Amino acid sequence: AQTVTQSQPEMSVQEAETVTLSCTYDTSESDYYLFWYKQPPSRQMILVIRQEAYKQQNATENRFSVNFQKAAKSFSLKISDSQLGDAAMYFCAYRVDTGTASKLTFGTGTRLQVTL
Amino acid sequence: GAVVSQHPSWVICKSGTSVKIECRSLDFQATTMFWYRQFPKQSLMLMATSNEGSKATYEQGVEKDKFLINHASLTLSTLTVTSAHPEDSSFYICSAREWRGIEKLFFGSGTQLSVL
Repeated sequence: AQTVTQSQPEMSVQEAETVTLSCTYDTSESDYYLFWYKQPPSRQMILVIRQEAYKQQNATENRFSVNFQKAAKSFSLKISDSQLGDAAMYFCAYRVDTGTASKLTFGTGTRLQVTL
Repeated sequence: GAVVSQHPSWVICKSGTSVKIECRSLDFQATTMFWYRQFPKQSLMLMATSNEGSKATYEQGVEKDKFLINHASLTLSTLTVTSAHPEDSSFYICSAREWRGIEKLFFGSGTQLSVL
């Protein structure tokens, strides 16, 4: 069974600084997708970034980028120039690519605080 | 972007009653929808996969007679919590799968259920 581990229950970063959230996963599959979702106090799940396992290039979305290490099964999220609006729960998620609808497996989450 | 509407946002009910939660894809057809449950300060746990026109697939440990899922159209899936008890109190989130050559999942805003 696939598992997703987030070892940092809470992180804190000062506004305008950079923070990295860690995620590791366990799988025997070769084709899969990895995601970072943000859940603000509104509890709406928002996709931050996605990474296809077959792509060596790390995905980036504006201030958000990932460090995808396939051999190490590591998928960290870097948030640059942190803003107060980045404060939220962040979930790492995994989905195997079977060509049909596949379920997401979520990590336990990291609560990010952004301070002035 | 695609929108998924989940209703109601919150509901309070008496123990023993049934509660229905609706999940609608507003601007796309979703042959597959997923239902998650989230306890306070915890991750999202998949309850079941809802497929249009067929029976839902439940995750291990989820009582299918307790959590009735109906996916009668390409834009609507419902979750009915039958004979609710206080331990069913939780945050329930749906997501809908959009497929246009690439799979994307869009989440509803969630439903907070409180059973008295």
